[in-house]
Amino acid sequence: SAVISQKPSRDICQRGTSLTIQCQVDSQVTMMFWYRQQPGQSLTLIATANQGSEATYESGFVIDKFPISRPNLTFSTLTVSNMSPEDSSIYLCSVVLDNYNEQFFGPGTRLTVL
Amino acid sequence: AQTVTQSQPEMSVQEAETVTLSCTYDTSESDYYLFWYKQPPSRQMILVIRQEAYKQQNATENRFSVNFQKAAKSFSLKISDSQLGDAAMYFCAYRSYGGSQGNLIFGKGTKLSVKP
Repeated sequence: SAVISQKPSRDICQRGTSLTIQCQVDSQVTMMFWYRQQPGQSLTLIATANQGSEATYESGFVIDKFPISRPNLTFSTLTVSNMSPEDSSIYLCSVVLDNYNEQFFGPGTRLTVL
Repeated sequence: AQTVTQSQPEMSVQEAETVTLSCTYDTSESDYYLFWYKQPPSRQMILVIRQEAYKQQNATENRFSVNFQKAAKSFSLKISDSQLGDAAMYFCAYRSYGGSQGNLIFGKGTKLSVKP
């Protein structure tokens, strides 16, 4: 299995500011993913982050709003830029272990934008 | 595009009883994976059970089992001998076989309450 940690676990931010969420995995993985879970809703994939290449964003999500870094095989960051109250969500990091068909999720970061 | 539908926003079960959560999906693909994830109040997403579409045998994990009906595109989860710790949101999810391994498509979830 994979152990995934995220920082911060929660934050309250002001409108117009930015927050960077960190995701650390205890093993090397090729693909890391970022999901958003809006209040009372299901999970939606924001982007796929491969080490050494640009992140691939899903429809409705853009790099200027959600820039992602993937400097190595165990770490990634997601930045939520120029935040508005609509960005209040839980943001989850996820990985698939190479050659393994199970997807693991981090504990999530609960973001509240005032 | 694939879709996943969970028609039961909330369900309740008595401790030690059995409950079945429903999930239907829509796809034109013949090979894919289906999953049930549990999300307790701690927010941690936990994989409960996985089913490969090419397998006819229904997956089972201890008290958890699925009824996979490929022709009907149905994937229900049965929880036997329900325990208080089973209380959580349950999400049904779909992933294409050989596609982006992160592109899980989730249903809206079913909130399960367990009564002592």
